[in-house]
Amino acid sequence: DTAVSQTPKYLVTQMGNDKSIKCEQNLGHDTMYWYKQDSKKFLKIMFSYNNKELIINETVPNRFSPKSPDKAHLNLHINSLELGDSAVYFCASSFSDSYEQYFGPGTRLTVT
Amino acid sequence: DAKTTQPPSMDCAEGRAANLPCNHSTISGNEYVYWYRQIHSQGPQYIIHGLKNNETNEMASLIITEDRKSSTLILPHATLRDTAVYYCIVRVERNNAGNMLTFGGGTRLMVKP
Repeated sequence: DTAVSQTPKYLVTQMGNDKSIKCEQNLGHDTMYWYKQDSKKFLKIMFSYNNKELIINETVPNRFSPKSPDKAHLNLHINSLELGDSAVYFCASSFSDSYEQYFGPGTRLTVT
Repeated sequence: DAKTTQPPSMDCAEGRAANLPCNHSTISGNEYVYWYRQIHSQGPQYIIHGLKNNETNEMASLIITEDRKSSTLILPHATLRDTAVYYCIVRVERNNAGNMLTFGGGTRLMVKP
């Protein structure tokens, strides 16, 4: 009965490849998010998405794109991976009128 | 959104109360104080939030000063499992910025036996 799940847990890939990370929530939330936590442990918001609106943090390169097949899923696609994309990526969800967000366990992406 | 300042690290003895301070001297009247924590290798976890009244739930208590320029998160009986990085975040409720949370450096709390 995991609330927010992510797959895969670990992802190792080479520079230049395209990869996706999947996220699913079973909480009935209408808003989902992607965060990036770098090696220095700073946690940064990348996207906020509900069925009405995608809000993108202006610092996110356009190689990153969220895709939502339905309200329970928000996948993260990354094109032309770079070494600097290595990080832990967290998915989260909430109701649109709340900052009480529920986070997934994270996906550790390593780009070699 | 108001900026927050937290000590980078604190220690606490197991079974004692852990008091984590947060300074948010530029907070506006409509901004809430939120606390999250991140246990090693896990995603952040929501703890508690408040506007101006003190709040308590099963995890912690939140004490906000009368002028709202600072707050304290209290874990009444810290356990080893409370060892984590604790983040204090100030946000306007129901804003138009997609409910994005901005995490600072937080306070690394080490609970010791």
